[in-house]
Amino acid sequence: DTEVTQTPKHLVMGMTNKKSLKCEQHMGHRAMYWYKQKAKKPPELMFVYSYEKLSINESVPSRFSPECPNSSLLNLHLHALQPEDSALYLCASSQRGVTGGDQPQHFGDGTRLSIL
Amino acid sequence: GESVGLHLPTLSVQEGDNSIINCAYSNSASDYFIWYKQESGKGPQFIIDIRSNMDKRQGQRVTVLLNKTVKHLSLQIAATQPGDSAVYFCAENSSGYSTLTFGKGTMLLVSP
Repeated sequence: DTEVTQTPKHLVMGMTNKKSLKCEQHMGHRAMYWYKQKAKKPPELMFVYSYEKLSINESVPSRFSPECPNSSLLNLHLHALQPEDSALYLCASSQRGVTGGDQPQHFGDGTRLSIL
Repeated sequence: GESVGLHLPTLSVQEGDNSIINCAYSNSASDYFIWYKQESGKGPQFIIDIRSNMDKRQGQRVTVLLNKTVKHLSLQIAATQPGDSAVYFCAENSSGYSTLTFGKGTMLLVSP
């Protein structure tokens, strides 16, 4: 079992809906990440939070809005998504902040998102 | 044998064989590398990492080799088992930030 928990596991939403993805870790990690992964492709970085502050935004459209309420939680708010946004959304965490040098990231099992 | 499909290279081996999965990276400034295993319906799972001051690192049944001269990374899996069937990604870090760039991935299929 992964120590990074993501909910829900599956989500189907229409293009006008508003929904949120949630990620939680209790390892005391200080950096948290959102990735998007299309089928048979590698994960692509979207956002990085370090010590609860947004450090990196990889030019992600504003219909994706991240939030880090505290050091253990990471949300991704979704609004007015497009069919091409259907993908697996992965959350990851790493022990030190994002400027903490070489360190592995630990992934959750993702939310499978389908946009109708 | 190894084949390149439309999107994902695939390596097919028999149970008990040793597997070698290769990864070429392009950034000579990369100084930290990780191998991840991703099973169907799951997130990437950390297998082993290596820093650029090393050329070999061993774990349980796995060995990672790093050749900085030709910018090549490989993952060797000894006595491959059906449970090793998954997509394997290499990832590199080259910036002062702890961000990773993933390779395209290789699907490993292990036949009993």
